[in-house]
Amino acid sequence: AQSVTQPDIHITVSEGASLELRCNYSYGATPYLFWYVQSPGQGLQLLLKYFSGDTLVQGIKGFEAEFKRSQSSFNLRKPSVHWSDAAEYFCAVGALLNGEYGNKLVFGAGTILRVKS
Amino acid sequence: EAQVTQNPRYLITVTGKKLTVTCSQNMNHEYMSWYRQDPGLGLRQIYYSMNVEVTDKGDVPEGYKVSRKEKRNFPLILESPSPNQTSLYFCASTRSGQGYYEQYFGPGTRLTVT
Repeated sequence: AQSVTQPDIHITVSEGASLELRCNYSYGATPYLFWYVQSPGQGLQLLLKYFSGDTLVQGIKGFEAEFKRSQSSFNLRKPSVHWSDAAEYFCAVGALLNGEYGNKLVFGAGTILRVKS
Repeated sequence: EAQVTQNPRYLITVTGKKLTVTCSQNMNHEYMSWYRQDPGLGLRQIYYSMNVEVTDKGDVPEGYKVSRKEKRNFPLILESPSPNQTSLYFCASTRSGQGYYEQYFGPGTRLTVT
């Protein structure tokens, strides 16, 4: 079964510093990967997704992620963090369900990002 | 506007009092799911539906029921809520078929059972 590991429960970075959130997945075939962000008291917003093709994926709000098959990783990066980026970030992989990948997501436990000024 | 809506957004109830959380989507999606979010566990799928009258258990179905009588609606039913069902609940929908891998999430329903 597919699984997702986000090793860091909390990360604190200074405003303006670079950010990397780690995500490792367990899946044999080409995975369908997603990063979501959840601001305090809010719902889920899709930051970016990887289905195939270029392994460096650009998303919204200046985020990018790189798919590395050899490391089973899909780490999220941002070159310069803003205070408004403080939120919880979830990595997810599309799980095979009834022959299709769109019907279920398996999520990591999440990483809470704190931004200090 | 394409969207998934949930009601209510917030609910406080007592143990054993039946409740229903509604979910509706306006995108004519075949697949719909319910997830619950708990600290340190991320989101986990409760139930899903592949189309009208076709539902199946997800990873954490105990204590929940669902129905799919219309394509657009997928209510979540807690017939006898317990405190361990206090959680944040998300409904999601997606199109069926190859290439449609993105799920659209509702705004969430925060449920507290006392």
